[in-house]
Amino acid sequence: QQQVKQSPQSLIVQKGGISIINCAYENTAFDYFPWYQQFPGKGPALLIAIRPDVSEKKEGRFTISFNKSAKQFSLHIMDSQPGDSATYFCAASWPAGTYKYIFGTGTRLKVLA
Amino acid sequence: GAVVSQHPSWVICKSGTSVKIECRSLDFQATTMFWYRQFPKQSLMLMATSNEGSKATYEQGVEKDKFLINHASLTLSTLTVTSAHPEDSSFYICSGMVWTSGGADTQYFGPGTRLTVL
Repeated sequence: QQQVKQSPQSLIVQKGGISIINCAYENTAFDYFPWYQQFPGKGPALLIAIRPDVSEKKEGRFTISFNKSAKQFSLHIMDSQPGDSATYFCAASWPAGTYKYIFGTGTRLKVLA
Repeated sequence: GAVVSQHPSWVICKSGTSVKIECRSLDFQATTMFWYRQFPKQSLMLMATSNEGSKATYEQGVEKDKFLINHASLTLSTLTVTSAHPEDSSFYICSGMVWTSGGADTQYFGPGTRLTVL
């Protein structure tokens, strides 16, 4: 119940294409779902986050789709660029005050030029 | 977003020595900071939660006597790896927590510290 399952493990997309990464969770107590981008040798950087009362959130080329009934959420990267090549982690957190994140296993994205 | 720094960015030490890693929140006060460990091509593993002015809370399986955490101020937490051994070689990342509007806790991560123990 504590896990966040992330797929695919790796993804190759052509430049200009759409990258889609999926995460699923079991614990309905989770109420905050951030996505992080990590380049090799660097710390994760917050990309975008969503609360379960919202079904979709868009920031630039990045969109989170959230399906509360299915307990799934996904990251869509539109018009993918070679500079987007990185590892992406989804995470889930309990209500404020509990603090801890549960991270997915990560998706290594490669965008071909 | 909030900025977190780490120092040093990389360190090489001999087996048996101790190494201290600093984590600073540069533009916000972090009542709570977290320390993670990350092995190559793997996810982040939470080691401990660091609260300003109190003892750190360690995750199961993490040796608190080996990984000493001190959170002496609202902007600084330190991780000391005592008597380091080659198996302690890893990428250590800290994060600071920011309470955002709407009641969510958002973690902002430092750039990480690469520790190599010879």
